[in-house]
Amino acid sequence: DAGITQSPRHKVTETGTPVTLRCHQTENHRYMYWYRQDPGHGLRLIHYSYGVKDTDKGEVSDGYSVSRSKTEDFLLTLESATSSQTSVYFCAISWSDDGNSPLHFGNGTRLTVT
Amino acid sequence: GNSVTQMEGPVTLSEEAFLTINCTYTATGYPSLFWYVQYPGEGLQLLLKATKADDKGSNKGFEATYRKETTSFHLEKGSVQVSDSAVYFCALINNAGNMLTFGGGTRLMVKP
Repeated sequence: DAGITQSPRHKVTETGTPVTLRCHQTENHRYMYWYRQDPGHGLRLIHYSYGVKDTDKGEVSDGYSVSRSKTEDFLLTLESATSSQTSVYFCAISWSDDGNSPLHFGNGTRLTVT
Repeated sequence: GNSVTQMEGPVTLSEEAFLTINCTYTATGYPSLFWYVQYPGEGLQLLLKATKADDKGSNKGFEATYRKETTSFHLEKGSVQVSDSAVYFCALINNAGNMLTFGGGTRLMVKP
């Protein structure tokens, strides 16, 4: 798992509730990413971070926010979960300081919004 | 923008058969190309990569050659095993950016 821990691994929540997913890395890598995986779409980037308090949007950022107050933690928040956000969420890190290297992924969080 | 297109699966093969999974891409500049593999219940793992035209990436018997003239990076293996059953993703990083773009994934099922 390249030193990446995602929590929780599984979560079921109701529409309209807030949800926060956590990604923790054991090394001080600069770049961290949140992806969602859906059938037929592969992985799509939600948000990424290039340092503490430095974040930017990916291609499917609507309905999601992120925070990075410490190098080792990157949080993904669904302020008001919807059924369309049922998915498997993957955190990833880049081992290079410029982000231009293969990514290493956590084992994912399966989120179900009922 | 960047995009990656993979053949749709599932691909079902018998053990020891030859495997090809097609991947083509659209990108500006000179991207680096990757194949990732995802086993059930796990995250993606880097399988192989190629960073410039005509490079061949290889790992665990899998190979892929960076073909700039056809904008392709097809994955091949001469003799698949049941343990190769997984989902395979083709991806690229544009040399001007720091974000990975993925194809839709191809599920491979290998039967004994």
